[in-house]
Amino acid sequence: DAKTTQPPSMDCAEGRAANLPCNHSTISGNEYVYWYRQIHSQGPQYIIHGLKNNETNEMASLIITEDRKSSTLILPHATLRDTAVYYCIVRVYGNKLVFGAGTILRVKS
Amino acid sequence: GAVVSQHPSRVICKSGTSVKIECRSLDFQATTMFWYRQFPKQSLMLMATSNEGSKATYEQGVEKDKFLINHASLTLSTLTVTSAHPEDSSFYICSARVTGDLAGYNEQFFGPGTRLTVL
Repeated sequence: DAKTTQPPSMDCAEGRAANLPCNHSTISGNEYVYWYRQIHSQGPQYIIHGLKNNETNEMASLIITEDRKSSTLILPHATLRDTAVYYCIVRVYGNKLVFGAGTILRVKS
Repeated sequence: GAVVSQHPSRVICKSGTSVKIECRSLDFQATTMFWYRQFPKQSLMLMATSNEGSKATYEQGVEKDKFLINHASLTLSTLTVTSAHPEDSSFYICSARVTGDLAGYNEQFFGPGTRLTVL
């Protein structure tokens, strides 16, 4: 599975959109982009995933560039409860999940 | 979504004792479960893949005799930390793979984790 690169940390004002970038320049055609988050001392929570089209669900939107070498997770109206570590994972569907360092998102009032 | 539970949520034990952690899929059957370990301020590290009715597959560097995994039913996997020592103190998290109708948008659900402290 392809390696991902994420900024170590980001801050976001409460109520504003949080845009979390992820680089995956070596992604191959059958690899999906997955996003999970982990709130302190809890198990990871699935957010969204996509292959090449942009995706949206009740939690977030996922924007994947046309060349698929990078993506952005968007939390449209961040709240204090969205403070967490966000993990971008690229893998073939069904393969084991390998977690990188992730991005610590701090939502501030 | 599918629910995965872990028991206990927190355990403190003395050095040299063995500790068993249970991972259950509450509303679905899981032929495959995964065990992760997470040290403070670090990311999750996959320890092993547990398949129902067969031996677990351990990641490189994980001692299979130290971390015993049993997946005897489609809803339960257990991790036993044998002869625990302070360096085994960590946050242990399991996940279960969902298949079929529940898979939909996701196919791995995580438990809430178990905090192990070895004195």
